[in-house]
Amino acid sequence: DGGITQSPKYLFRKEGQNVTLSCEQNLNHDAMYWYRQDPGQGLRLIYYSQIVNDFQKGDIAEGYSVSREKKESFPLTVTSAQKNPTAFYLCASSILDNYGYTFGSGTRLTVV
Amino acid sequence: SQQGEEDPQALSIQEGENATMNCSYKTSINNLQWYRQNSGRGLVHLILIRSNEREKHSGRLRVTLDTSKKSSSLLITASRAADTASYFCATASKTSSGSRLTFGEGTQLTVNP
Repeated sequence: DGGITQSPKYLFRKEGQNVTLSCEQNLNHDAMYWYRQDPGQGLRLIYYSQIVNDFQKGDIAEGYSVSREKKESFPLTVTSAQKNPTAFYLCASSILDNYGYTFGSGTRLTVV
Repeated sequence: SQQGEEDPQALSIQEGENATMNCSYKTSINNLQWYRQNSGRGLVHLILIRSNEREKHSGRLRVTLDTSKKSSSLLITASRAADTASYFCATASKTSSGSRLTFGEGTQLTVNP
């Protein structure tokens, strides 16, 4: 079945540590996105990529980094520069323009 | 930046009643989309309405779009307990860096059996 897979489902980060969240899709979608969701709030865009080897900052990119070396994969690294990383992270993909997004099931990141 | 703003923030109704949620936005858009999120899960795409459309139906869902008022509404008819979820509107706009969706803060719908 085609879909988008995020791993791990739960992730714990120590202070000062970098962690990487995985996002893989087999839908042959060109565009991929990372969003952050805080409790009771909407989604805020971190980074997005329309094609391989190219990506753009969203509204809250500080403290995060991404890569897009393959069409299927768009990993997100939460660096130690992100001072408040505890949140629910959602990855999505889409065919470009005028189509809905397909979301993964999310990764819940907690700082311990 | 949060472009879409949903109203109400929370809505509680009885099974069988209709539920209406509203969304307002600020800038020009290519399309507007509605998504559903069950607690702790990813979002599921419900319906997309293009900027040149005024109304769209999908099963028990009806979406309207008024670009002159920069607003949209989602109507769920004959609601069921399984419709309990958060509902988000999202506006699609093109930038110099490509197209992107901007989400509102959502409406929490509770359908009581």
